[in-house]
Amino acid sequence: GQNIDQPTEMTATEGAIVQINCTYQTSGFNGLFWYQQHAGEAPTFLSYNVLDGLEEKGRFSSFLSRSKGYSYLLLKELQMKDSASYLCAVHNQAGTALIFGKGTTLSVSS
Amino acid sequence: DADVTQTPRNRITKTGKRIMLECSQTKGHDRMYWYRQDPGLGLQLIYYSFDVKDINKGEISDGYSVSRQAQAKFSLSLESAIPNQTALYFCATSDPRTGDSNTQYFGPGTRLTVL
Repeated sequence: GQNIDQPTEMTATEGAIVQINCTYQTSGFNGLFWYQQHAGEAPTFLSYNVLDGLEEKGRFSSFLSRSKGYSYLLLKELQMKDSASYLCAVHNQAGTALIFGKGTTLSVSS
Repeated sequence: DADVTQTPRNRITKTGKRIMLECSQTKGHDRMYWYRQDPGLGLQLIYYSFDVKDINKGEISDGYSVSRQAQAKFSLSLESAIPNQTALYFCATSDPRTGDSNTQYFGPGTRLTVL
């Protein structure tokens, strides 16, 4: 079976750094995605990792360890607009669709 | 203009009514998906289609049906709506040939309320 775990909620302060963790169990691995979703809006693509290591994109970075079934999303220099849900997702066993975690709601305060 | 559009954006209906949600895309992607999202449960896959002749059930297909009328159009139907189908519904598209790792791109969502 497949399972994705991520914390339900996190809080942080403007300008700080926050790390959102995701652990997964899957019978076949074809990459891990991170999406950002503001309340009531569509999820938008943030990053994709298929090999171990860190992928950096501006203020956002994503890390993957396939042997540990573990990923994290690192957000630097937090801004109020970063308050959103962050969804971790992996391909299903057949590689035909994505299985999403329940999301981590991040609240950034001033 | 948005690449993936959904109509209607909001809908209130009554138990037992038939409802159709429509999705159109201009991205030229072959693959299309329907998800529902409930508070605290994340996104759950209802149906997906890899081309006009290919329809597949997802995790939670019971009570739903779909139609892929063309490459660009994928509709979701609730034949007889019930209150626990009240949710936010998202359409998404992807295409592994585009070199973006089969990333899924989402429409703006349809908020459905069944009374």
